[in-house]
Amino acid sequence: GQQLNQSPQSMFIQEGEDVSMNCTSSSIFNTWLWYKQDPGEGPVLLIALYKAGELTSNGRLTAQFGITRKDSFLNISASIPSDVGIYFCAGHFGNEKLTFGTGTRLTIIP
Amino acid sequence: EADIYQTPRYLVIGTGKKITLECSQTMGHDKMYWYQQDPGMELHLIHYSYGVNSTEKGDLSSESTVSRIRTEHFPLTLESARPSHTSQYLCASSPTGGEQPQHFGDGTRLSIL
Repeated sequence: GQQLNQSPQSMFIQEGEDVSMNCTSSSIFNTWLWYKQDPGEGPVLLIALYKAGELTSNGRLTAQFGITRKDSFLNISASIPSDVGIYFCAGHFGNEKLTFGTGTRLTIIP
Repeated sequence: EADIYQTPRYLVIGTGKKITLECSQTMGHDKMYWYQQDPGMELHLIHYSYGVNSTEKGDLSSESTVSRIRTEHFPLTLESARPSHTSQYLCASSPTGGEQPQHFGDGTRLSIL
């Protein structure tokens, strides 16, 4: 089946820094999604991407659908304490089920 | 934002008990899903449904069963709980048509003693 590799696995940054994470696939996707999960909660949808090359922003978050359709990137600018959590990418192809990445754990150092 | 509710949020119970985890959504979504997730780890699909009376097993083998008698309700049942079932169970739903994003409930954290 399809696999999604997400990197980095974890990040330790200071408040105010910018964050970049990415997701790569062994095969193409038609849709890329980015979710954030806080401890003890379910994942919350941040950004959905539907077209290769698409660049979409949601406040301080920006995500891009890679032109090869095999990767996606998420950037967070000027991080704040509430950005702490685990970020998951997910991909869709046709009627197949959603495939999730392995997650990036973001920690902000005081 | 989809309204999807899971109960209970936390459950600690002894081995051998029958357990039902509830999931309900009020958005009229046809598609519903159950995922199993260990803390901080990736999500594994264990069951899904594309409509009433439709249920399928997911990628991760699970001893649980599901039913879909009503569009809004997708309960998951464990007939005889074991410590290996200890995990977080997340329910999600999405509209029919194309590659629509899934919206998640807050999960049930299950601990089997």
